[in-house]
Amino acid sequence: ETGVTQSPTHLIKTRGQQVTLRCSSQSGHNTVSWYQQALGQGPQFIFQYYREEENGRGNFPPRFSGLQFPNYSSELNVNALELDDSALYLCASSLQGRADTQYFGPGTRLTVL
Amino acid sequence: EDKVVQSPLSLVVHEGDTVTLNCSYEVTNFRSLLWYKQEKKAPTFLFMLTSSGIEKKSGRLSSILDKKELFSILNITATQTGDSAIYLCAVEPGTASKLTFGTGTRLQVTL
Repeated sequence: ETGVTQSPTHLIKTRGQQVTLRCSSQSGHNTVSWYQQALGQGPQFIFQYYREEENGRGNFPPRFSGLQFPNYSSELNVNALELDDSALYLCASSLQGRADTQYFGPGTRLTVL
Repeated sequence: EDKVVQSPLSLVVHEGDTVTLNCSYEVTNFRSLLWYKQEKKAPTFLFMLTSSGIEKKSGRLSSILDKKELFSILNITATQTGDSAIYLCAVEPGTASKLTFGTGTRLQVTL
């Protein structure tokens, strides 16, 4: 089990609502990446934060936004939820530039009705 | 756009069998290829490969990369029921730690 924690574990929202997911990094890690994993698919990169700045973004619309805090924890915000946003959201912390140090949290299962 | 294709999509084997999982990729400015095991939710790191022809080994698991043909394989020998999981392959470009994952191979090991 890694030191990466995520909250909440499960969440149910309705279309049009907004959601905030939280992630605490592994001790010593300075980078956080967020992934969306739809059922039956591999994780898809949303964005990465390093030193509180966005450091790379995947093909996700601007309604997906994030923050990283001075203690390296992070939030993922999704506005105007759509049915297709239903997925497992995974947070991974790492040392910058070291993909082999990337530890994933247990994820937040988001259901949009 | 970076792309990873894994095969087979799913596999059922008997305990003690040997399995080979495949991963082919296209990536801009290749930096590394990684294998993960996903049992319930959090993928756990297995291997990172950066150089062709060098086998990485951990117990019954091993992996090798062919950068010329753009593929990697993950071998599991003497499979056990605890090996049942989804195995994910991902590639990392040279620009950032943005991983592109394949769909995964679902392995089920039966008694």
